[in-house]
Amino acid sequence: VLTQSPGTLSLSPGERATLSCRAGQTVSSSYLAWYQQKPGQAPRLLIYSASSRATGIPDRFSGSGSGKDFILSISRLEPEDFAVYYCQHYDSSSGWTFGQGTKVELK
Amino acid sequence: QVHLVQSGGEVKKPGASVKVSCKASGYTFSHYGIAWVRQAPGQGLEWMGWILPYNGKTDFAENLQGRVTMTTDTSTNTASMELRSLTSDDTAVYYCARVDPMAVAFDSWGQGTLVTVSS
Repeated sequence: VLTQSPGTLSLSPGERATLSCRAGQTVSSSYLAWYQQKPGQAPRLLIYSASSRATGIPDRFSGSGSGKDFILSISRLEPEDFAVYYCQHYDSSSGWTFGQGTKVELK
Repeated sequence: QVHLVQSGGEVKKPGASVKVSCKASGYTFSHYGIAWVRQAPGQGLEWMGWILPYNGKTDFAENLQGRVTMTTDTSTNTASMELRSLTSDDTAVYYCARVDPMAVAFDSWGQGTLVTVSS
């Protein structure tokens, strides 16, 4: 189980966003990913292996963490960053699991 | 450029089946797995299962075992997902996504297919 917090984050453009993803047990950081989803769109891969940016992802997005606790940081929010963010983990016995999502909304 | 294009929306009655297709282009289809993910209205993402096109091996989410089938046609670079015995709880947008074997994550997604189950 992946638990994301907070459920909603209200921030202004230019501010820093810090999103948390906590696993119910220690997981491999090699299989931890983050996605961004905007209304009416498919999700987009941002981060894989906990801290590697996917192709074309701006460097204001960064991922960190290990064990049970993982963080997605957005250093300076741009207008296009207001969206829902999901963490995801892969386990060989149970496949992929998503967190319930964190909505980053305009304050 | 990787493209995954899905079939159009469907309306089905409870108890029926639905089949959603996903046509891939821009890469070697047999080299990447295809995952299926669904999203009920206003809800989060749910992984349904995945298939490896080069050998047809599948793995499904436990809650869908016995109700879902995933196939690929390497001659047309198309993946398909069939879900049977539909209920209103299956109303969702269904996505196909390419599985990056190095990232073990979904690096490209289809546009989504809305399946509505209603009597």
